[in-house]
Amino acid sequence: QVQLVQSGAEVKMPGASVKISCKASGYRFTSNYMHWVRQAPGQGLEWMGIINPRGDDTHYAQKFQGRLTMTRDTSTSTDYMELSSLTSEDTAVYYCARDNSMRSSWWFDPWGQGTLVIVSS
Amino acid sequence: SSELTQDPAVSVALGQTAKITCQGDSLRTYSATWYQQKPGQAPILVIYSKNNRPSGIPDRFSGSSSGNTASLTITGAQAEDEADYYCNSRDSSGNFWVFGGGTKLTVL
Repeated sequence: QVQLVQSGAEVKMPGASVKISCKASGYRFTSNYMHWVRQAPGQGLEWMGIINPRGDDTHYAQKFQGRLTMTRDTSTSTDYMELSSLTSEDTAVYYCARDNSMRSSWWFDPWGQGTLVIVSS
Repeated sequence: SSELTQDPAVSVALGQTAKITCQGDSLRTYSATWYQQKPGQAPILVIYSKNNRPSGIPDRFSGSSSGNTASLTITGAQAEDEADYYCNSRDSSGNFWVFGGGTKLTVL
C-alpha cells in the first residue's frame, strides 16, 4: 500500500537547523509532487511548500522563503525538508503528504505519520 | 491569517446532520478538499475533487460548493466523527496552497 514514513522526533537549539526525511513506498515515486505541512501545538495546519517529481523545482510559502529547503533523492524514494534559523515558534509537528491531482483538483493523500520538532534552549 | 475561513466549532446531536463550511475567494476557481484529524493523529482525506470520497470513508460524508463557499456535510453523525476538520485549496494566486483554520466538530 502507499505509505510515507517520516524520521523521528528532534530537539533543537534556537538558531539551529533541522532536516526531516519522508520515505515513500507503494507507488512510483517520480509520478507525484510532495507537500510539507506543519502544525504547531494546539493550532491548525499550515502549508509550507511543494517539490516536483524530479526534485528540481520547489515552491515555498512566503513566510518560509530563505530558510526552507526541500530536496528529493529519487534513488531512495525519499524527500527531505530542512528548516534553518529555528525559533521557538517552529516547534510543531511536520508532515509530508503526497500530492494528487485530477481535472484542476488537488488533494493530499496519504500523509506521513508526522515528526515532532521541539525548539528549546 | 488564512485565506480560507471556517467556523471554529460546530456541534451536532448523535444521528443528526452536521454542516461545516469554508469560505474564500479562491473557492470560486478551485475546489475544496476536506481532511479529518483526530487528536494525536495525522490528517486523513475525507472529500476531494468537490464530492469524491476515498475508499474507506463512509457515504455519510459529502461535499458541495456554491460561489465562494464549500461545505462538508455529515448526514447521520456518529460518535467517531468527532474530530477537527480542515478545508484546503489553492490560494487566490493559484501558486500556493492554503488551509482553513479548522472546525472542531462535537457530537453530542
